[in-house]
Amino acid sequence: DQQVKQNSPSLSVQEGRISILNCDYTNSMFDYFLWYKKYPAEGPTFLISISSIKDKNEDGRFTVFLNKSAKHLSLHIVPSQPGDSAVYFCAASHPNQAGTALIFGKGTTLSVSS
Amino acid sequence: KAGVTQTPRYLIKTRGQQVTLSCSPISGHRSVSWYQQTPGQGLQFLFEYFSETQRNKGNFPGRFSGRQFSNSRSEMNVSTLELGDSALYLCASSLNFQGVQETQYFGPGTRLLVL
Repeated sequence: DQQVKQNSPSLSVQEGRISILNCDYTNSMFDYFLWYKKYPAEGPTFLISISSIKDKNEDGRFTVFLNKSAKHLSLHIVPSQPGDSAVYFCAASHPNQAGTALIFGKGTTLSVSS
Repeated sequence: KAGVTQTPRYLIKTRGQQVTLSCSPISGHRSVSWYQQTPGQGLQFLFEYFSETQRNKGNFPGRFSGRQFSNSRSEMNVSTLELGDSALYLCASSLNFQGVQETQYFGPGTRLLVL
């Protein structure tokens, strides 16, 4: 049962345009959401996060939006650059008494062409 | 600050062997989590260690185990390797104060190939 879903395996965008990556989740107990960027043969690099008490968080070109009622979040990259080409993972945190573990979506491959 | 380091970066083993992977967290970070990445399953949580204790565990067989030392460094061990254990094994660390939403920072991973 996939609790975090990224339904688009790939996305192609032109340089300078907006990239919108989407993520859906099923578990209403998730209270913290993160986006990571990953290049092949490297570990994921943290991009931006959002707490469930917020609906938007911005950091430079990256903005994450959270819609709790729809159990949906999205990452906006504006403007997109060729260096943004990578796999983007959405992750959710479900704290319990023992600790936290990240539940990841399967990723969306973003290709930004110049 | 130095990031999360993992050794070795690449490893080739044969079925039935066992393997130990090492992870050094960011200085000051006390929580270490391990993840397995495969093409079919994506990134899956293995286990988390905090203050030398396993605090959380994913759905993996008992062949996968780990430990954490007093300096927060962690090792994971896979015994009786199977072909399906071929994967990128990622370690992540965080400060992890209980009840605080925190970011995990990942190392570069260890690529394990089982032949």
